[in-house]
Amino acid sequence: KNEVEQSPQNLTAQEGEFITINCSYSVGISALHWLQQHPGGGIVSLFMLSSGKKKHGRLIATINIQEKHSSLHITASHPRDSAVYICAVDPGGFNKFYFGSGTKLNVKP
Amino acid sequence: KAGVTQTPRYLIKTRGQQVTLSCSPISGHRSVSWYQQTPGQGLQFLFEYFSETQRNKGNFPGRFSGRQFSNSRSEMNVSTLELGDSALYLCASRSDGVGELFFGEGSRLTVL
Repeated sequence: KNEVEQSPQNLTAQEGEFITINCSYSVGISALHWLQQHPGGGIVSLFMLSSGKKKHGRLIATINIQEKHSSLHITASHPRDSAVYICAVDPGGFNKFYFGSGTKLNVKP
Repeated sequence: KAGVTQTPRYLIKTRGQQVTLSCSPISGHRSVSWYQQTPGQGLQFLFEYFSETQRNKGNFPGRFSGRQFSNSRSEMNVSTLELGDSALYLCASRSDGVGELFFGEGSRLTVL
């Protein structure tokens, strides 16, 4: 049983396209995190959400607590956005996150 | 401000050996958590420490253990290594157990 489901698993886009990655979860949460992982392994936290919407540059993250769903949008995608994007939900238990399987994004020039 | 530092970055061990990995959190952060990442299972929570106390533990066998020192640096140990322990081990720190997570670059363990 997967507490967190992400889609799509793989995504190829042309530079400039608008991209959406979806995350659905089945547990109660205190917050949801969107993470970015580049080849080599290091992970960067992009957003932490508990309600509504956040924007940082070309990235937008939204969450609907009632529907248990979150989306990560990338506007005007660029090859440097190529990475694995991971959704992580925090049920409020001292960093015992549940992770999605990740979305591998490849943006072609 | 220095980020989260993990050492060593890469290591190779053989079955039956043990390994110790180190994580230095961002200065001032008291919460350190550890995660295992494998191609098959993805990211999984190992344990979390806050002010030298383990507050939560994931579903891993007792061969996986950890500790945190008074300066918030943390170590994790895996004893009697198995092939399936080959993974990227990531640590993350938070200032107070909530808020943004900051990850290290990871320690990539290969068990032969």
